[in-house]
Amino acid sequence: DAMVIQNPRYQVTQFGKPVTLSCSQTLNHNVMYWYQQKSSQAPKLLFHYYDKDFNNEADTPDNFQSRRPNTSFCFLDIRSPGLGDAAMYLCATSRDSAKSYEQYFGPGTRLTVT
Amino acid sequence: KQEVTQIPAALSVPEGENLVLNCSFTDSAIYNLQWFRQDPGKGLTSLLLIQSSQREQTSGRLNASLDKSSGRSTLYIAASQPGDSATYLCAVEGGANNLFFGTGTRLTVIP
Repeated sequence: DAMVIQNPRYQVTQFGKPVTLSCSQTLNHNVMYWYQQKSSQAPKLLFHYYDKDFNNEADTPDNFQSRRPNTSFCFLDIRSPGLGDAAMYLCATSRDSAKSYEQYFGPGTRLTVT
Repeated sequence: KQEVTQIPAALSVPEGENLVLNCSFTDSAIYNLQWFRQDPGKGLTSLLLIQSSQREQTSGRLNASLDKSSGRSTLYIAASQPGDSATYLCAVEGGANNLFFGTGTRLTVIP
């Protein structure tokens, strides 16, 4: 089945130690998103790629970076995780933003910072 | 900035009841509205998407309506089942690929 896959599902990292979260998709969608969801809060968009064009939300901290080496893969890099970065990180895809297609989400990666 | 509100924050109903979840948004200039389901500790599952030009969408026991002018949407669940227990999130797309989410309604269906 076509899907959005996130690895790992659970990630524990130490305060200040760089960490990378991975997302891949078999849907061949051209738009990929990263959201942060803290406990009992709404998901918050960090950034998205429209094909290779990177779009950063204005209030996304510089500590968060992203890479999209090809259509299928997108990575979220947290350069120096703080305790406040502990959250569920959700990857999503959509086919074409201009035509307002729905977003499909992966299962998420739960990040713990110790 | 778009704000999305979902009321109630939590809801418990006995199995078999019909129920309505509410979503309101402040800016009516939206591209679409999407309803999601989220199980504890899991990702989001898309349930229904309503384009801005549509009034409602149906999928099985679910029916979502959209009144863009008043900034409201409802998700109707018929004949609720314990497996429907989850958090239900609504999100509106205001363009620029940005989904604005509500904080969700946590539904518990009691057997």
